[in-house]
Amino acid sequence: EIVLTQSPGTLSLSPGERATLSCRASQSVRSNYLAWYQQRPGRAPRLLMDGASSRATGIPDRFSGSGSGTDFTLTISRLEPEDFAVYYCQQYGSSPETFGQGTKVEIK
Amino acid sequence: QVQLVESGGGVVQPGRSLRLSCAASGFTFSNSGMHWVRQAPGKGLQWVAVIWYDGGQKYYADSVKGRFTISRDVSKNTLYLEMNSLRVEDTAVYYCAKALSCSGGSCSHDFWGQGTLVTVSS
Repeated sequence: EIVLTQSPGTLSLSPGERATLSCRASQSVRSNYLAWYQQRPGRAPRLLMDGASSRATGIPDRFSGSGSGTDFTLTISRLEPEDFAVYYCQQYGSSPETFGQGTKVEIK
Repeated sequence: QVQLVESGGGVVQPGRSLRLSCAASGFTFSNSGMHWVRQAPGKGLQWVAVIWYDGGQKYYADSVKGRFTISRDVSKNTLYLEMNSLRVEDTAVYYCAKALSCSGGSCSHDFWGQGTLVTVSS
């Protein structure tokens, strides 16, 4: 199965700053079938990005996704207070679908 | 609006069984593949099982194969997860999730339920 490694484990930033989250796959993700999710404490995951770079319905444009093959990035251009959460990448190009271990974005 | 509501979680002893339900509304349930994804306390997300839109295909994570069974009742717009021979390591919040974009049985998920906690403990 494809192993996804997210870095850093924790990102300490202030509101208004830019956040760059990395997701690296152990093998190439077919057709860039890579999604990003946000999870706030005690809540279910929320889809942010699909197909590596397509924002899900209702997701603000400060969120953007990029990458291909084995290296993918989620960028939050200017952090809002509600963006401090844990972010997971997921590949669904191969079976079984797998998730990264998560990156926590915390308030500095 | 789309709603997924899980139920059936609780505390159960190792080796016992439990059945989870997920009531769906706000979309055409019979046209959507559905998944179960779990999250152990303080840990990340782990895919558990998928059932095709028509129930024709079912796939499981190796860790639950032979013990868990996914099913659906289109007449009730409900997804199920029958869990047998439960182990301590099955302790987790179990989410049902709707499939969005798929490659075979692997999918992204645009809607998730609120989750139901299963605790396996003696």
